[in-house]
Parts: sequence; structure tokens; C-alpha cells
Amino acid sequence: AQSVAQPEDQVNVAEGNPLTVKCTYSVSGNPYLFWYVQYPNRGLQFLLKYITGDNLVKGSYGFEAEFNKSQTSFHLKKPSALVSDSALYFCAVREGSAGFQKLVFGTGTRLLVSP
Amino acid sequence: GAGVSQSPSNKVTEKGKDVELRCDPISGHTALYWYRQSLGQGLEFLIYFQGNSAPDKSGLPSDRFSAERTGGSVSTLTIQRTQQEDSAVYLCASTPGAGGEQYFGPGTRLTVT
Repeated sequence: AQSVAQPEDQVNVAEGNPLTVKCTYSVSGNPYLFWYVQYPNRGLQFLLKYITGDNLVKGSYGFEAEFNKSQTSFHLKKPSALVSDSALYFCAVREGSAGFQKLVFGTGTRLLVSP
Repeated sequence: GAGVSQSPSNKVTEKGKDVELRCDPISGHTALYWYRQSLGQGLEFLIYFQGNSAPDKSGLPSDRFSAERTGGSVSTLTIQRTQQEDSAVYLCASTPGAGGEQYFGPGTRLTVT
């Protein structure tokens, strides 16, 4: 079965500093990886995905993620954090065969950006 | 256009009662998913509908949980004889086809007293 791990329950960063939220994956075959964000009392919002191609994927709100096959990682990054980036972030991997697929989510990492 | 909608937004029920949670996916989306998010936890997959195929029910935690999707659109998640451990936020998501990025609704917060 496919899985992802988010080793940090919480990440603290000061506004204006770069941020990294970590994700590692365990898959058989080529990984299809996603990042989602959840703001308080809201559903999840799609940020970006890696299917194939460039290892650096750019997404919404200035976020990007770097796919590293040798380290089996897909860390989320942003060059300069905003207080409004404070939220819960989920990494996910697609599982299943063509035509019948679902996402398997990590446990989430809470990002807290201080002013 | 309109996103995924869920109703009710909040539901408080007594232990042992049945509840129904509703999800309206984005029009034209063929795939629909239900997840459960317990306090401080990640997302737990419950069930997945894809077109007219038989649903993937592998994530349903017990036979008290069931779901249906009528006419390939609206879905209802039913929890019978609710227990306190059923308290969670229930999220619905839809995709245009299998495997794409999922669009989530705002969730239904269920509290079983």
C-alpha cells in the first residue's frame, strides 16, 4: 500500500523567513503526490501536485514542492512565509489502479507563522 | 461555479440515534469521496464512488456506516446507532474523473453526546 509520512506535528517560523514542511513517501511504482492546506473550520484546498516531469512543482499562494526520488521526499516550501499561511498542511499520495483511485493522506503538519 | 457543498454544517445527536450527512459534488464530477477527520488527526478514507461502478467501501469502520449516491450526483452518508467515537468532521470531495486533485467541501461537524 502507498503511504506518506509527515514527521513534524508542528512547524514554527517567523514571518518573512523561508518555510519547509516535510513529507516522505513509500510507494510501489511512480508516485503521484499532492499537497493540501486546511484553514480553520474549512475544508481542504489543493495546493499542488507532482505527477511527472520537473522535480520542482509550483503551486498556489507562492508554495512550491521539491520531488526527490533518492530521498523519497516531497517537501513543501515557500521562500517567505506570511502570517496568513498559518494552517494545517496535508501531504497525500494517490493509490489504486487506473479508473479507481483514491488519496492516502499523511497525519498533517500544523504551520504557525509568527509576526 | 459552485463548489462542493455539505449539509448540515454542524450536527449534534444523542448516542444511539441515526444521522444522515449530505454531499453535493461539483456538477459533472464523476468521482465522490467521503473522509473522516477526528480531532487532531489526519484524514481517514471512508468510501469512494466512481461513475456507475460499485463503490469502494474499504474504509468504512463498521457496518453502522453506509453511503449511497443517487443519480451519480448527491451522496448521503448514514451512520446508524451513533457512538461517541463517531464524533468527527466528515468531509466530502469530488473530482472530474478518477485520480485527479480532489475538491473538498467544508465538512459536517458531528458531535455525539
